Amino acid sequence: DADVTQTPRNRITKTGKRIMLECSQTKGHDRMYWYRQDPGLGLRLIYYSFDVKDINKGEISDGYSVSRQAQAKFSLSLESAIPNQTALYFCATRDRKNTEAFFGQGTRLTVV
Amino acid sequence: AQTVTQSQPEMSVQEAETVTLSCTYDTSESNYYLFWYKQPPSRQMILVIRQEAYKQQNATENRFSVNFQKAAKSFSLKISDSQLGDTAMYFCAFYNRDDKIIFGKGTRLHILP
Repeated sequence: DADVTQTPRNRITKTGKRIMLECSQTKGHDRMYWYRQDPGLGLRLIYYSFDVKDINKGEISDGYSVSRQAQAKFSLSLESAIPNQTALYFCATRDRKNTEAFFGQGTRLTVV
Repeated sequence: AQTVTQSQPEMSVQEAETVTLSCTYDTSESNYYLFWYKQPPSRQMILVIRQEAYKQQNATENRFSVNFQKAAKSFSLKISDSQLGDTAMYFCAFYNRDDKIIFGKGTRLHILP
């Protein structure tokens, strides 16, 4: 089993729908991150969390919200999806003592 | 704010050749970490190499090595004896005490047979 699991792997949704992307990890890491990848723009940080009660906005948080339900789970929600939120979304985790981040397999989201 | 710049959107080299991918960054910090990540077509993000800013010695991992120039804020990746499996997107990334990892826009590398 993967250490960082994202569900779903792929999703097509309609404009205006609410959608949740889920991330769970078995590495016991306290830091969790959500990134968005677009062609030519690299990975941009949406939200990050240092523990259940510590959630921070990244550079592109508008239109997104997150929930850290437990140390191992960090969900990203699009309250009302729009087409320009079509992208590849990555969850990543990191331990406070180490610098390496571990990534999930990504969720390809298409908003039509 | 910290920024990471990769000036080569796309590159192609012949198999077995050596290729260098460029990365520059901007920070006022003195201690930080730099990374190169590889993203093959499978889209998995794979850590290739890491450099700690306080270490003067350039990091090396098998065929992958970096040229870290702290004063110039430059962090290039050299791939020696390139292989078809090296075909991927490569991202330069920066991490500091803010606990955020900032990525460049990526370089798409094609290894040609």
